Amino acid sequence: NAGVTQTPKFQVLKTGQSMTLQCAQDMNHNSMYWYRQDPGMGLRLIYYSASEGTTDKGEVPNGYNVSRLNKREFSLRLESAAPSQTSVYFCASSEALTRVDTEAFFGQGTRLTVV
Amino acid sequence: GQSLEQPSEVTAVEGAIVQINCTYQTSGFYGLSWYQQHDGGAPTFLSYNALDGLEETGRFSSFLSRSDSYGYLLLQELQMKDSASYFCAVRDLNYGQNFVFGPGTRLSVLP
Repeated sequence: NAGVTQTPKFQVLKTGQSMTLQCAQDMNHNSMYWYRQDPGMGLRLIYYSASEGTTDKGEVPNGYNVSRLNKREFSLRLESAAPSQTSVYFCASSEALTRVDTEAFFGQGTRLTVV
Repeated sequence: GQSLEQPSEVTAVEGAIVQINCTYQTSGFYGLSWYQQHDGGAPTFLSYNALDGLEETGRFSSFLSRSDSYGYLLLQELQMKDSASYFCAVRDLNYGQNFVFGPGTRLSVLP
């Protein structure tokens, strides 16, 4: 049981380059999320998808786009990378954004450096 | 809006008990969760408090008081492997019901 799988695990980009971070979950979850983690700032929500076919902005969406490709997959795209986007990116999923949904499951993270 | 506060660092010795506090400011949420994250790893779920009171899971306990906007994670019989960062989180009704995380507390367990 793989859970949440992210690719790649590490990436170095030059300023202005673009890339897509891939995420897939095999738990039949409805909701998926992208967070970034910077030292001392916890996990900040970039975008989320409450269910297949919907996406919404989170706390820090500028410079990013997302695609909920199907129920399993949720990708994050950086169109023109900037050094400020150097961070660790986590994809997560949960059953659904309802009262009974109490746990988020995280992928292993993508460590992105923009030079 | 939402805001969670935690101490940035806590240090304790093996075998001791440590409490990590979390205060929050939100006008509505479903419950308070705790996650553990080892260096280089992913956050993993530890506990969830939907109601006020204490929830116990082995060596870990979590407490919530909605009237005080406060919760804590209690770790007993500390082991070296408990050295990690601990995050409190709420499902914030004013934020699309999303999981909102605190800044994290780094726990160092000394021999």
